[in-house]
Amino acid sequence: AQSVTQLGSHVSVSEGALVLLRCNYSSSVPPYLFWYVQYPNQGLQLLLKYTTGATLVKGINGFEAEFKKSETSFHLTKPSAHMSDAAEYFCAVRAGGSNYKLTFGKGTLLTVNP
Amino acid sequence: DVKVTQSSRYLVKRTGEKVFLECVQDMDHENMFWYRQDPGLGLRLIYFSYDVKMKEKGDIPEGYSVSREKKERFSLILESASTNQTSMYLCASSSPGDLREHFGDGTRLSIL
Repeated sequence: AQSVTQLGSHVSVSEGALVLLRCNYSSSVPPYLFWYVQYPNQGLQLLLKYTTGATLVKGINGFEAEFKKSETSFHLTKPSAHMSDAAEYFCAVRAGGSNYKLTFGKGTLLTVNP
Repeated sequence: DVKVTQSSRYLVKRTGEKVFLECVQDMDHENMFWYRQDPGLGLRLIYFSYDVKMKEKGDIPEGYSVSREKKERFSLILESASTNQTSMYLCASSSPGDLREHFGDGTRLSIL
């Protein structure tokens, strides 16, 4: 079984500041890891994913995440926040192989202050 | 680009009614999913289907059923709606080789 813990249900940053959203996972097999973003009144969009290979993954809108196996973490970062980054962010894990199901964290709401 | 369409953005029903939520995808995806999203709980999987007429229970299937008669369409059924089923419902689809899920915009369902 797999699980995801997102530390902090609400993160607030100033425009131009570093964004750091934390995600820790547990999985009995090598995981596939995902970050999704949800803007108000919309569905979820994929930001980035890690499957195999390079542990630093770059996504859309300037976001990136690093898979750290020793820490079972997959934290999301962006060097400089923009007002348009305000949204809810979800980390998700899928066990590698034939398991089709994603397990989501509870989400982190990002607020960007002018 | 993949499009997942949910038939209603907002829906209001009464307790005890049978409710149908419809989802259609246009990319010939094998896998389809229904989630519910509640504040502070994230997304929880209700049911998923990996082929026509195939279905598997997710984490919270109680009070729900599903139907997949055609590959592109996946329906969620609330047999007898209750107030605790008031929620945002999200449909998604994927293909096994893609490893990502494509989401619809959601249906906000209120049960009065």
